Amino acid sequence: EAGVTQSPTHLIKTRGQQATLRCSPISGHTSVYWYQQALGLGLQFLLWYDEGEERNRGNFPPRFSGRQFPNYSSELNVNALELEDSALYLCASSFVSTSTDTQYFGPGTRLTVL
Amino acid sequence: AQKITQTQPGMFVQEKEAVTLDCTYDTSDPSYGLFWYKQPSSGEMIFLIYQGSYDQQNATEGRYSLNFQKARKSANLVISASQLGDSAMYFCAMKNYGQNFVFGPGTRLSVLP
Repeated sequence: EAGVTQSPTHLIKTRGQQATLRCSPISGHTSVYWYQQALGLGLQFLLWYDEGEERNRGNFPPRFSGRQFPNYSSELNVNALELEDSALYLCASSFVSTSTDTQYFGPGTRLTVL
Repeated sequence: AQKITQTQPGMFVQEKEAVTLDCTYDTSDPSYGLFWYKQPSSGEMIFLIYQGSYDQQNATEGRYSLNFQKARKSANLVISASQLGDSAMYFCAMKNYGQNFVFGPGTRLSVLP
């Protein structure tokens, strides 16, 4: 069974540009989560989608947005990129949004803003 | 509010020895799940072990076991017979129904030959 996939692996942008990151969940999973991990730091929760709806978002400005498609894949968009947006962006999926489900992560997209 | 605390920023262990990574949590919900993830230098988060709040026995997965003490709100990860490949960041996480996952700050484990 294929795991969570993310594309691209690496992304280099300049300040002010927009970045689009993509995530495909494990087959059958309906929940997708996005996290930002700056170098050497922990995971910061960005967004949670379930069944096509945004369920929760973390403490990030509105220029971080996303969506979930009918096939449960997801897209994270970051507008007006700033240098501090440089980080590893991790996507995770889970089967149902209960307390017993397990989140499985993709390999991440490393975004560099110059 | 839900919170995960990992008080050990870094830990060292000798190869083949056992090591315990601490995790305490705070929640008022009676139903929750506790998880441990490993993050090697490659960056990918690897799921290790899960413990449900109603589980009577401590979870075990190969060399990993979770020392669950509900009254103390602790969920420590025990790695037996450490290997060099265990060197990584380890994150404790919690999930309550209808809410997103909450992660701790992580513990960096270094296994010495």
